[in-house]
Amino acid sequence: DAGVIQSPRHEVTEMGQEVTLRCKPISGHNSLFWYRQTMMRGLELLIYFNNNVPIDDSGMPEDRFSAKMPNASFSTLKIQPSEPRDSAVYFCASSLEQGAAAFFGQGTRLTVV
Amino acid sequence: GESVGLHLPTLSVQEGDNSIINCAYSNSASDYFIWYKQESGKGPQFIIDIRSNMDKRQGQRVTVLLNKTVKHLSLQIAATQPGDSAVYFCAENRRSKYYNTDKLIFGTGTRLQVFP
Repeated sequence: DAGVIQSPRHEVTEMGQEVTLRCKPISGHNSLFWYRQTMMRGLELLIYFNNNVPIDDSGMPEDRFSAKMPNASFSTLKIQPSEPRDSAVYFCASSLEQGAAAFFGQGTRLTVV
Repeated sequence: GESVGLHLPTLSVQEGDNSIINCAYSNSASDYFIWYKQESGKGPQFIIDIRSNMDKRQGQRVTVLLNKTVKHLSLQIAATQPGDSAVYFCAENRRSKYYNTDKLIFGTGTRLQVFP
């Protein structure tokens, strides 16, 4: 099993640009999570999906952030427009079902300059 | 407010000693807890989990203890090795008050440093 796959691993972009982060969950997992990790705030849950449907997006910081899951094997997190304060490591995780252990990808390190 | 927090931000232990990492949680309705290990440049890695109907669970060199009375969770690592150096997070499965579903909330983390 390849685990959760995220791309890109690193992204450097200029303020105002659109950024799209990608995630492929573990095959057969029904729940998918997007987390953001910073030194100041730790690991924050942004949004999660169950059976491709967004369930809880209360952690999404503002309207500049959006996430989609068009099918069971792919999800995107988009930031438009990006700002320097969005710089962080973004993790995608998946779990077999709600309430089960989540398994994480390697993360995308985003730097907005 | 509800939170999952760790008592010690950094723990230094000598190689071969046992390590104990602590975690406090505030939501008494939480029924599932997980410990993760995060090495530099990597994503959190599942170590061990425990459900609220248990007090103790053992894995390979690791033991998780759950005290529901005081809402406390601990991770014990036996014979700590240099490869155990990482940040350890406890995570709490919490029911979303907005959507009546479960979500995993992480504590702030404890850095474990193992020295020879």
